Amino acid sequence: QQQVKQSPQSLIVQKGGISIINCAYENTAFDYFPWYQQFPGKGPALLIAIRPDVSEKKEGRFTISFNKSAKQFSLHIMDSQPGDSATYFCAASIETSGSRLTFGEGTQLTVNP
Amino acid sequence: GAVVSQHPSRVICKSGTSVKIECRSLDFQATTMFWYRQFPKQSLMLMATSNEGSKATYEQGVEKDKFLINHASLTLSTLTVTSAHPEDSSFYICSARGGGIYGYTFGSGTRLTVV
Repeated sequence: QQQVKQSPQSLIVQKGGISIINCAYENTAFDYFPWYQQFPGKGPALLIAIRPDVSEKKEGRFTISFNKSAKQFSLHIMDSQPGDSATYFCAASIETSGSRLTFGEGTQLTVNP
Repeated sequence: GAVVSQHPSRVICKSGTSVKIECRSLDFQATTMFWYRQFPKQSLMLMATSNEGSKATYEQGVEKDKFLINHASLTLSTLTVTSAHPEDSSFYICSARGGGIYGYTFGSGTRLTVV
């Protein structure tokens, strides 16, 4: 019940295209859903996060869509750039209890010029 | 914003020796710190969770006598890999949680190579 399933494992997109990464969870107690971006040899950096009281959150080119009934959330990267090439992790936690983050398996995004 | 400083970024040590990794929250008090291990092209694997002034809680399968975690203050946690072996070579990442708007902030990671 603690799992977060992420797909696809890898994604190749042309510059200017839309990158979409999906995650599904089982634990309905999760109340915090962040996305992290990780470059090789670096720690993950928070990209954008959402809580279940909203269905969508947008920050610049990055948008999270959240479907509470389906227990799914996704990251959309608009106008993808080569500099967006990185590994993306979705995660979930029960923030109110300060619990651990449960991570998805990660998606390696490559944006071709 | 919240910043977590992790040192060293890279370390090479001889088999049988110990190495200490430091994780500091620079501009907030970290009530909880998490230590992760990451293998190439894999997700982060939680090793242990520590609260300031308390003993760390280790995940199943993680040897607590090998991976010593100290969280003596609200801004500093350390991970000591004792009697390191080549199989301990990995990327270690800390994360600090300070509550409020800060969420979970990650350090930049430490690449440990045991030779």
